[in-house]
Amino acid sequence: DAGVIQSPRHEVTEMGQEVTLRCKPISGHDYLFWYRQTMMRGLELLIYFNNNVPIDDSGMPEDRFSAKMPNASFSTLKIQPSEPRDSAVYFCASSSGQGITNQPQHFGDGTRLSIL
Amino acid sequence: GNSVTQMEGPVTLSEEAFLTINCTYTATGYPSLFWYVQYPGEGLQLLLKATKADDKGSNKGFEATYRKETTSFHLEKGSVQVSDSAVYFCALTLGGGSYIPTFGRGTSLIVHP
Repeated sequence: DAGVIQSPRHEVTEMGQEVTLRCKPISGHDYLFWYRQTMMRGLELLIYFNNNVPIDDSGMPEDRFSAKMPNASFSTLKIQPSEPRDSAVYFCASSSGQGITNQPQHFGDGTRLSIL
Repeated sequence: GNSVTQMEGPVTLSEEAFLTINCTYTATGYPSLFWYVQYPGEGLQLLLKATKADDKGSNKGFEATYRKETTSFHLEKGSVQVSDSAVYFCALTLGGGSYIPTFGRGTSLIVHP
């Protein structure tokens, strides 16, 4: 079974540009999470979805960040306009809702974002 | 709120040494506990889990026991290998409406030949 697929794996762009990160969760998983990882802050939960509906976006740092999940097999995280402090590794993860507290999260390999 | 505290790293060991990475938690309720491992350039992957008190999770020679009385879930391995070098994350999940997993800061393990 394919794991969580993220694209692109690396993104380098200039400050002010729009950045779109993409995620395909594992088929059948009904929870999807977006995380950001930096040395300073560690792993931060940005937003999560249940059955394509955003449940908690309190971790989204500011209005420049937005996330969508138009269907069960695709999600995007958009930053517009991007700033150098957004440079980080962004992870998408999915999990099954059955017995949700016992279910592990399955992570993609991340997108390494560098804003110049 | 809920929290997970891990020992500061990096932990540096020689091959075949005994490993312990401490993890303690604070939670309102009865969480499920997890250890994840992150190899360079990759995402986190589940190493082991335990869902109730006194459960022992184990995988690839790693073990951790869910200790409710000490609110701990320490990771152990009897003999580490160079290939175990990675960052290890302790995490918990709780039910009750808002499902938000809580991760520790991660502990880097470096194993020398």
